[in-house]
Amino acid sequence: GDSVTQMEGPVTLSEEAFLTINCTYTATGYPSLFWYVQYPGEGLQLLLKATKADDKGSNKGFEATYRKETTSFHLEKGSVQVSDSAVYFCALSPPGGNQGGKLIFGQGTELSVKP
Amino acid sequence: DTGVSQDPRHKITKRGQNVTFRCDPISEHNRLYWYRQTLGQGPEFLTYFQNEAQLEKSRLLSDRFSAERPKGSFSTLEIQRTEQGDSAMYLCASSTGTGGRGYGYTFGSGTRLTVV
Repeated sequence: GDSVTQMEGPVTLSEEAFLTINCTYTATGYPSLFWYVQYPGEGLQLLLKATKADDKGSNKGFEATYRKETTSFHLEKGSVQVSDSAVYFCALSPPGGNQGGKLIFGQGTELSVKP
Repeated sequence: DTGVSQDPRHKITKRGQNVTFRCDPISEHNRLYWYRQTLGQGPEFLTYFQNEAQLEKSRLLSDRFSAERPKGSFSTLEIQRTEQGDSAMYLCASSTGTGGRGYGYTFGSGTRLTVV
């Protein structure tokens, strides 16, 4: 079945460091791909999305490119801030109109940014 | 609109008891989803509704679990005869139904269940 695999955390970086969180997926067809973020004590929030191959999603300095050939959707940010400390989830939505828009999540990667 | 509301935020119950959670979605959203999240894992899909119709149930949703959305507005998730393995965060989300595919999802803050 469809699945998402993320790099394990926690990831600890110093402020202004470069961030990469790896995400690969298994799915038939062309799923939509997402990154969600969960700040401490808050609900999941959509960070960015991409709906077809080679699309680049971006938001708040974060970027991810939908790579069909490597089935990947790695999250990157050029310069992290302490306020980026959170848990990041990669997710996919299977293609097909009868899938109802459900999401399949990776296990999450905790990011901790130190001043 | 204040987003997706879930009640209660926390619930501690004894094994074998029944519990019920409530979710109030964004009013104009016709799709409502339930997910379960255990510690250190991503959310796992349980079930979803389009208006009042329950259109899909995961195999994770055993016979002890039941969800309703009687008037296409709020939803309840009931767990009967709770077990310690039911301890988790239960998340609700809502979205507009046009095409789905995860667009426009809004998650609630969740109900944390602890079974002792």
